[in-house]
Amino acid sequence: EPEVTQTPSHQVTQMGQEVILRCVPISNHLYFYWYRQILGQKVEFLVSFYNNEISEKSEIFDDQFSVERPDGSNFTLKIRSTKLEDSAMYFCASSAPGQAGIGYTFGSGTRLTVV
Amino acid sequence: AQSVAQPEDQVNVAEGNPLTVKCTYSVSGNPYLFWYVQYPNRGLQFLLKYITGDNLVKGSYGFEAEFNKSQTSFHLKKPSALVSDSALYFCAVRDDTGGFKTIFGAGTRLFVKA
Repeated sequence: EPEVTQTPSHQVTQMGQEVILRCVPISNHLYFYWYRQILGQKVEFLVSFYNNEISEKSEIFDDQFSVERPDGSNFTLKIRSTKLEDSAMYFCASSAPGQAGIGYTFGSGTRLTVV
Repeated sequence: AQSVAQPEDQVNVAEGNPLTVKCTYSVSGNPYLFWYVQYPNRGLQFLLKYITGDNLVKGSYGFEAEFNKSQTSFHLKKPSALVSDSALYFCAVRDDTGGFKTIFGAGTRLFVKA
């Protein structure tokens, strides 16, 4: 069964550094998302991406965050100047054509630890 | 604004007994409703969804959920719990008025005792 792949599985970074979280969505999917989950808490929507642009973002997704689909395969989340409170599990998801917002496949997540 | 409530932090049930994990929601338009399960150190796995049609939705691993519009609820059920069902369960909702933002509940930890 097709999977959404996220790398790395765990990233440790120093406060103030920039990190890039990488995702390879399912190949025929057109809609891409990032969610985050702060340790054991609720899963929070960050951003959705379609047709090479952000289609929707939450209030969490401020200027510190950016997303990119640099090569038609990878979908990345960049976090600039990381803060301790950015420590969380970050999930990438994608949806097939016609399934935007109603059919997600999630990756297994990247655990980001800011120290 | 969309919101989801999972009133129970934890549900305890004995193996073989029926289980229910509760979820209520609030949306502006018609709801799209989802249940996901998360095992320790794993991602979110899709269980089932309600988009339209029959109010009783059947999903993976023997789970089902009933959409109740008047009570704005979407409780997750299983007739006979297994120890392996022990996990964190998330209810999620999106409305049909446009946009992709799906709101997740805080999660309910299910513990099935042998």
